[in-house]
Amino acid sequence: DGGITQSPKYLFRKEGQNVTLSCEQNLNHDAMYWYRQDPGQGLRLIYYSQIVNDFQKGDIAEGYSVSREKKESFPLTVTSAQKNPTAFYLCASSISGTGVYEQYFGPGTRLTVT
Amino acid sequence: AQSVTQLDSHVSVSEGTPVLLRCNYSSSYSPSLFWYVQHPNKGLQLLLKYTSAATLVKGINGFEAEFKKSETSFHLTKPSAHMSDAAEYFCVVSSSNDYKLSFGAGTTVTVRA
Repeated sequence: DGGITQSPKYLFRKEGQNVTLSCEQNLNHDAMYWYRQDPGQGLRLIYYSQIVNDFQKGDIAEGYSVSREKKESFPLTVTSAQKNPTAFYLCASSISGTGVYEQYFGPGTRLTVT
Repeated sequence: AQSVTQLDSHVSVSEGTPVLLRCNYSSSYSPSLFWYVQHPNKGLQLLLKYTSAATLVKGINGFEAEFKKSETSFHLTKPSAHMSDAAEYFCVVSSSNDYKLSFGAGTTVTVRA
């Protein structure tokens, strides 16, 4: 059954701690993305990767880091430098190349930092 | 540059009545447009997409949308709402030379029995 998995579904952390969110896909997609969702604001792009070992900052990359060592995996680390980390985080993947392709989304991770 | 405006933050309909969700876009290039649906605490699911083929696009679950270039609109409709349609809906635009997606703020749909 192809798709995108994110774990955990809920995550709680104390302020000042780094935390890593997992994203795995078995769709054989080259491109992967991380979004942040806050109430009433739609989705905002944090980081994206078009190919293994390469990634670029999105619109709100400050306080976040990523790696792309494998095609299937694109973990996101929320660092202590992120001023307001509590949010719903969504991972997505798509075909890469010229043209526009729909993105497929995982179920999300809700992060709460207190 | 590209952006999306969803004209209603909340829409309430009775079961069995039509649903209309309004979306206007701006794009420097020929746009591709999408509608996604999100149920509470879930990921987003693609309803339909427009990529410069037919202007009337049919999607899943009885939804359809019409691309109107002159009005820069891509409104989503469904003839008869079902209780399971209660969710948040996002209009999304991407320019033909840029794979990045720009999301609207979302429209929450409530369906009354």
